[in-house]
Amino acid sequence: EDQVTQSPEALRLQEGESSSLNCSYTVSGLRGLFWYRQDPGKGPEFLFTLYSAGEEKEKERLKATLTKKESFLHITAPKPEDSATYLCAVLGGATNKLIFGTGTLLAVQP
Amino acid sequence: GAVVSQHPSWVICKSGTSVKIECRSLDFQATTMFWYRQFPKQSLMLMATSNEGSKATYEQGVEKDKFLINHASLTLSTLTVTSAHPEDSSFYICSASPVGGYQETQYFGPGTRLLVL
Repeated sequence: EDQVTQSPEALRLQEGESSSLNCSYTVSGLRGLFWYRQDPGKGPEFLFTLYSAGEEKEKERLKATLTKKESFLHITAPKPEDSATYLCAVLGGATNKLIFGTGTLLAVQP
Repeated sequence: GAVVSQHPSWVICKSGTSVKIECRSLDFQATTMFWYRQFPKQSLMLMATSNEGSKATYEQGVEKDKFLINHASLTLSTLTVTSAHPEDSSFYICSASPVGGYQETQYFGPGTRLLVL
């Protein structure tokens, strides 16, 4: 059964304190791994799509990496505005249905 | 690019009434749109997949007669919650995948908060 597990559930950082969020997945025939940011009361905002192991993508202070079993979202020198829930999702097999993890709630304190 | 809008952003209705939520892709065409439901502090739960010009595919446990989905064009899908009851109160979010664009990626709308009294 396709499954996505995110850790930690919550993370509190000081401004400027770099860290990583983890997304472990089990899926048959990965077609894509997706990272989204969700602010309270809003829909998820697309960040990255990764397709194959070894791929990396960057956007401002965020960098996403992918292996055959997991993905990391690295946050370098975070700012308070980076506070949000970060969602990981995978697409695999013959379905077009995204399988979401439960998210990591990130709080960056000034 | 890849902007999805939803209307209304929030709605309060009386029990027994029907509510329609619109989902539009503003700057791209979407063959497929998706409807999700999200409860507080939980992740997104897929309700149904909507394909332009055909019937929606509902996930197990989702009542198709209660949650009517219409995908009449490549830029518009609607979700109608019929005879709404307080347990239907939730945050409804749609997403869309661009035709011929960034393959497989879903872009999400801002969500619609429904409160049934």
